Amino acid sequence: GAVVSQHPSWVICKSGTSVKIECRSLDFQATTMFWYRQFPKQSLMLMATSNEGSKATYEQGVEKDKFLINHASLTLSTLTVTSAHPEDSSFYICSARKAGAHEQYFGPGTRLTVT
Amino acid sequence: AQSVTQPDIHITVSEGASLELRCNYSYGATPYLFWYVQSPGQGLQLLLKYFSGDTLVQGIKGFEAEFKRSQSSFNLRKPSVHWSDAAEYFCAVAPPPGGNNRKLIWGLGTSLAVNP
Repeated sequence: GAVVSQHPSWVICKSGTSVKIECRSLDFQATTMFWYRQFPKQSLMLMATSNEGSKATYEQGVEKDKFLINHASLTLSTLTVTSAHPEDSSFYICSARKAGAHEQYFGPGTRLTVT
Repeated sequence: AQSVTQPDIHITVSEGASLELRCNYSYGATPYLFWYVQSPGQGLQLLLKYFSGDTLVQGIKGFEAEFKRSQSSFNLRKPSVHWSDAAEYFCAVAPPPGGNNRKLIWGLGTSLAVNP
């Protein structure tokens, strides 16, 4: 149990376009979902925390107008990178947490390349 | 400030040898403690966790970790490493219940290489 999927696993887009990444909890309800960014050979950087039905809470330095997060249901959260630029190229990872739980379960990640 | 330190950036061991990955934390109270593994092309997988009770916790894939309050440490161990254990290992802590901020605080990771 506790499987999290992400789609797509990799995406290439042109500079100035937007791309949406989906994160789904397949066999549990996720009251909280997290979005991370990971640079090569580095740890995870938390971008935002989203609770189902509420606005996401963004970490300091993360542009909320650029990284739009929606958590419309207990099994789905989306991250939309708007007006993408090459510096947005990265590995984006989502995680999900059950109500009352403390551990997070992670998706496999999405590799975004902006050309 | 709250922080997690993994002193070893990279470790190489021979297959069959024992392994210990270090993790130290700085936190006001005893946090909840986690070890995750990230293999190439795969998502982070929870190896084990400590919330309370027995300070030696068993996890998946033959891993165990010991919580030592006096040393603020939560080191990960495995008695005999397999080639498939080569991966990136992350230690993370979370505030205990009652805190307003329940984000995970991550160490920088330890990259494990296994020689045949």
